[in-house]
Amino acid sequence: EVQLVESGGGLVKPGGSLRLSCAASGFTFSNAWMSWVRQAPGKGLEWVGRLKRKADGGTTDYAGAVKGRFTISRDDSKNTLYLQMNSLKTEDTAVYYCAAGLGTTDFDYWGQGTLVTVSS
Amino acid sequence: QLVLTQSPSASASLGASVKLTCTLSSGHSNYAIVWHQQQPEKGPRCLMKVNSDGSHNKGDGIPDRFSGSSSGAERYLIISSLQSEDEADYYCQTGGTAIQVFGGGTKLTVL
Repeated sequence: EVQLVESGGGLVKPGGSLRLSCAASGFTFSNAWMSWVRQAPGKGLEWVGRLKRKADGGTTDYAGAVKGRFTISRDDSKNTLYLQMNSLKTEDTAVYYCAAGLGTTDFDYWGQGTLVTVSS
Repeated sequence: QLVLTQSPSASASLGASVKLTCTLSSGHSNYAIVWHQQQPEKGPRCLMKVNSDGSHNKGDGIPDRFSGSSSGAERYLIISSLQSEDEADYYCQTGGTAIQVFGGGTKLTVL
């Protein structure tokens, strides 16, 4: 069974940093394209960014709203995806989901999310 | 600019069928899209990928009640024999080389 479990969310002040983790199981993590998607309270889904598997270059793409502030990385030996968030703004407040693309789509499987609140 | 447009809400009766629509922006009518379901207080779930020719690939464990089709720049999600657990938000999604886009979502109410 595929499982994606996010952690690391919490309350942080504007300008602060936070690192989220996504622990994966039930599939070959190194073969997956991994993504982060967020959802502000009461709003729709917003793509944050994507990290391709190493076999496809291991490159990243980011949404304009987070480019230069957020960094996606992975540790294939630990089956874990990361999202380093710096210079956080109040508008970054959201539930952050990780998702795994196993060949059909970029989002074949989703986690349950972790809440990040940016507030003074 | 790649944009997906969805109606904010839809409703249908228990046991009936409903057709949700996702419209691709001008110049992108040949794009495939993906439908995702988000039940209340849960993470999203991938339902299916719908191609421009109307063919679709469903995700693991998705019931036969869910199907997809296409017409021009419109992509559809058809849910038949509606059940109470189908009450959820439905998002369409597509992507280019370095970007992914979600539609605004349709909130489906099962009456």
